[in-house]
Amino acid sequence: QLQLQESGSGLVKPSQTLSLTCIVSGGSISSGGISWSWIRQPPGKGLEWIGYIYPSGSTYYSPSLRSRVTMSVDRSRNQFSLKLDSVTAADTAVYYCARGVGATTFDHWGQGTLVTVSS
Amino acid sequence: DIQMTQSPSSLSASVGDRVTITCQASQDISTYLNWYQHKPGKAPKLLIHGASTLQAGVPSKFSGRGSGTDFTFTISSLQPEDIATYYCQQYDDLAVTFGGGTKVEI
Repeated sequence: QLQLQESGSGLVKPSQTLSLTCIVSGGSISSGGISWSWIRQPPGKGLEWIGYIYPSGSTYYSPSLRSRVTMSVDRSRNQFSLKLDSVTAADTAVYYCARGVGATTFDHWGQGTLVTVSS
Repeated sequence: DIQMTQSPSSLSASVGDRVTITCQASQDISTYLNWYQHKPGKAPKLLIHGASTLQAGVPSKFSGRGSGTDFTFTISSLQPEDIATYYCQQYDDLAVTFGGGTKVEI
């Protein structure tokens, strides 16, 4: 059974870089036709897609976050990562990693991890 | 970006009621639309993909229809375990966008 688990710092200072990793178990991150996404939910708000990465390393980011986002994949460790630069309080959210079938139908999700941006 | 307008933002219904949520896209997205259920503290769950195809293992009381710009999601008989926030999501554009969500209460 495929499982995803987010890990990373739960508290980040303003202007610093948020870093999260998603560990995939029960399946290969290199499966064909699959992408890996990050999605977030600010407190009291809806879901916001951040971007996706293919096992090849090719990426597509949300236009609103593109200038600050970097995603990477480590096939040997079966995990992928998110970096978000220059964070502000508006980046406080629960961050989810998810598997995308055909890139953008998210059929497996992690449980989510809360990241708070505060000094 | 394609904007997704979901309505209502919240609703209250009784056990056994038929519940319908609508989602409108700002441009034609064919049937490139998914529906998710999100319970507090849990991971969102894919219910319907391609506007009307039930995801494997999802009860048939959930259904979706529509194409182009107008879509509906229906729970045929609301049960206490269906209390959640429901989101539509388009994937016609490379930039995925979600609707604002509909919180369903009893």
